[in-house]
Amino acid sequence: ILNVEQSPQSLHVQEGDSTNFTCSFPSSNFYALHWYRWETAKSPEALFVMTLNGDEKKKGRISATLNTKEGYSYLYIKGSQPEDSATYLCAFKGSSNTGKLIFGQGTTLQVKP
Amino acid sequence: GAGVSQSPRYKVTKRGQDVALRCDPISGHVSLYWYRQALGQGPEFLTYFNYEAQQDKSGLPNDRFSAERPEGSISTLTIQRTEQRDSAMYRCASSRTSGGFTDTQYFGPGTRLTVL
Repeated sequence: ILNVEQSPQSLHVQEGDSTNFTCSFPSSNFYALHWYRWETAKSPEALFVMTLNGDEKKKGRISATLNTKEGYSYLYIKGSQPEDSATYLCAFKGSSNTGKLIFGQGTTLQVKP
Repeated sequence: GAGVSQSPRYKVTKRGQDVALRCDPISGHVSLYWYRQALGQGPEFLTYFNYEAQQDKSGLPNDRFSAERPEGSISTLTIQRTEQRDSAMYRCASSRTSGGFTDTQYFGPGTRLTVL
């Protein structure tokens, strides 16, 4: 059974704080790691797809790093704003010949003004 | 352009009834995926299609669940003889190509199924 773990489960920060959270995934048979942002009552929105060890991706104030050898990815948010409040999901894709994504349970971020 | 659409958005049914959930992917997207999401959890894979071919159905929980995509576009997820434990959000996603490793999956709004 493949396990994707995210921590912490929830996070409360003040506006302007920078924050980060972790996604842990199997280090064997790695193919890709996806990050999604999900606001309640909306569809998950794709942030990044990462494939290579050492990859770093950035989108505005949000960035992510990838370590496939040890099986983790970090998502960073610089200068959090209330509109960053959402659940951040990571999803692992193994090297088997399938489009199947295995999702973590998410980290829910609440940014207080 | 239009995103992934799903219908109905909400479905309440009685235990033992059959339900059919529909997904209309982004036009031209080759791959279509079905996921189930429990409250407070990430989506859990059910099955996926490339064109009309069902490539992986390893996530379907039992034989009451089936899916089809007969013309390689719209897909239907059918649950027969529904049980209360089937209550969840059912999400559909589509991607442009057939599961390439950089392929983003675009998610629909989901169908909230409640089995009484």
